[in-house]
Order: sequence, then C-alpha cells, then structure tokens
Amino acid sequence: KQEVTQIPAALSVPEGENLVLNCSFTDSAIYNLQWFRQDPGKGLTSLLLIQSSQREQTSGRLNASLDKSSGRSTLYIAASQPGDSATYLCAVNAGNTPLVFGKGTRLSVIA
Amino acid sequence: DGGITQSPKYLFRKEGQNVTLSCEQNLNHDAMYWYRQDPGQGLRLIYYSQIVNDFQKGDIAEGYSVSREKKESFPLTVTSAQKNPTAFYLCASVRGQGINQPQHFGDGTRLSIL
Repeated sequence: KQEVTQIPAALSVPEGENLVLNCSFTDSAIYNLQWFRQDPGKGLTSLLLIQSSQREQTSGRLNASLDKSSGRSTLYIAASQPGDSATYLCAVNAGNTPLVFGKGTRLSVIA
Repeated sequence: DGGITQSPKYLFRKEGQNVTLSCEQNLNHDAMYWYRQDPGQGLRLIYYSQIVNDFQKGDIAEGYSVSREKKESFPLTVTSAQKNPTAFYLCASVRGQGINQPQHFGDGTRLSIL
C-alpha cells in the first residue's frame, strides 16, 4: 500500500530565506506527484503537478522536483514571504486510483 | 467562475441525527471525491465517484453514504452510525479519470457535535 511521508511536520523561517519541503513515497509506480497549499480553514489549492516522466516543474518562486526511482520529491520556495505561510501537502497518483496524501508541512514565514 | 461549492460552511449534528453535506461543481469534471481531515492528519478518502450513478468506498467509508445522480453533484450523508464525525470535510473533483490532471477542492464543511 502506498504511503506518503512529509518531513518536517512544521517549519519556521525568517522572511527572505530559501527553503525546501520534502516528500517521500513508498511505491515508485506513480503517474504523477502533486503539491498543494492549504490555508487555515480552507480547501486545498493545486500548486504544481509533476508527471512521472518529468524531473521538475516551476511556477514563479516555486520549483518542485521528482526522483521517482528513489521515491522522493522536494518543493523549493525561493525568497520566502509571510504570505507563503500555510500547510503544504504532497500527494501521489498511481493512475486510475485516488490520490494518496501526506500529512503536510506547516510553514510559518516570520517577517 | 468555475469551481466547487461546498455547503454549509459549518454544520452541527445532534446525537442520532443524519446530516448531509452538499458538494456542487460547475467544472464539468467526471470524478468527484470526499475526504475527511482531522487535526494533524492528512486527508483520508471516504468515497469517490468516477461516473454518474457509480461510486466506490474509500479507506474510511463506514458511517457515511453518498449518491451521484447528477454529474455536478456529490452529496455526503454522515449517518448516526458514524460515532466520531467531528472533522473538516473536503470535496474535490478532477477532469476525466484524473490521470495527470490536478484535483480541485472546495472550501470545506466543518462538522461538530452538539
């Protein structure tokens, strides 16, 4: 059974710092990996989707990488801002099956 | 604007009562999902539907029921058999079968026990 782990569970950084969030999964037979953002009391917003054939995806200050063979993905946030404070979740898609989510990393960016 | 609408935002349930959470999407998505989120936990799948008039149980379906009579609607009923229903409930949808398509989420319903 696929398991997704995110480390650390919480992270606090000063504004302007570059940071990396980690996601690992146990079964490398995936179609894609997705990163989401969740603000308190809200739903999830899709940030990036990396297909299994891709190594990375970029959107603005966000860069997500995927190493399928080692079961790892990272989300890199450049020049962090207080508005980046949220919980970040990763999820893997094994095809015609529902996403499997990690528990998330709660990020606080301190001004 | 296209999106997913969940209602109500807050819901209170009395002992022995069934309550229904609404989820409506105007994205013309085929697949829809219900998740439960507890503090410090990830999202756990309750039910999902990939096509009208068909749905499958997820990891924690006991005490819940769903229907999919219309493509745009996927209501979730929390029955009295669900002994610990207090949680944040999220509905999601995706185009086609969801392969290489991002999931879209509603803003959730927070259910509490009176």
